[in-house]
Amino acid sequence: GEDVEQSLFLSVREGDSSVINCTYTDSSSTYLYWYKQEPGAGLQLLTYIFSNMDMKQDQRLTVLLNKKDKHLSLRIADTQTGDSAIYFCAEEDGGSQGNLIFGKGTKLSVKP
Amino acid sequence: AAGVIQSPRHLIKEKRETATLKCYPIPRHDTVYWYQQGPGQDPQFLISFYEKMQSDKGSIPDRFSAQQFSDYHSELNMSSLELGDSALYFCASSLKEVSGTEAFFGQGTRLTVV
Repeated sequence: GEDVEQSLFLSVREGDSSVINCTYTDSSSTYLYWYKQEPGAGLQLLTYIFSNMDMKQDQRLTVLLNKKDKHLSLRIADTQTGDSAIYFCAEEDGGSQGNLIFGKGTKLSVKP
Repeated sequence: AAGVIQSPRHLIKEKRETATLKCYPIPRHDTVYWYQQGPGQDPQFLISFYEKMQSDKGSIPDRFSAQQFSDYHSELNMSSLELGDSALYFCASSLKEVSGTEAFFGQGTRLTVV
């Protein structure tokens, strides 16, 4: 079946860059997504990348996609304490928009 | 801007009871999705509806049913509740025809079964 893998924890110091990595299996995903979830809160779409793109930059966020290796990464520049949250990578199940398969989530801890 | 609204935000039920969760999508969105997120787990897709018809089915137990109404709101009905049904239930909505559409998530309903 389809699967999305992420490391479970990442700890960085405030002001450093954070890089969260993800591998996925469904090559039919048109888009790949990064969601942020703060404690007890809903899922917030951070950014997404079209599968034919290699990179997408949006302010402090940079998404890199290696389609050959099915590897996706999210870089957060100048990480702030407010960035502490769980970050989920998601692919589309069978290319179906909205029917997403999520990774287990990476818990990002930002130390002052 | 209007977001996806879920109600109730919190719900406590006893085993074997029934629960109904409601989802009001973003105006003009025609597709809703339901997800279940257990404690410390990733969200799991349950079911989705497009134009009031079921479009995709995931890992939804037979004890659960859902529908989308003419005003596009959706309800998730859960019967014979079990302790393991305790989770955060998310609804998301999108506009299907829009290429690369985002699925916007609600804040979730936290169901606790005791």
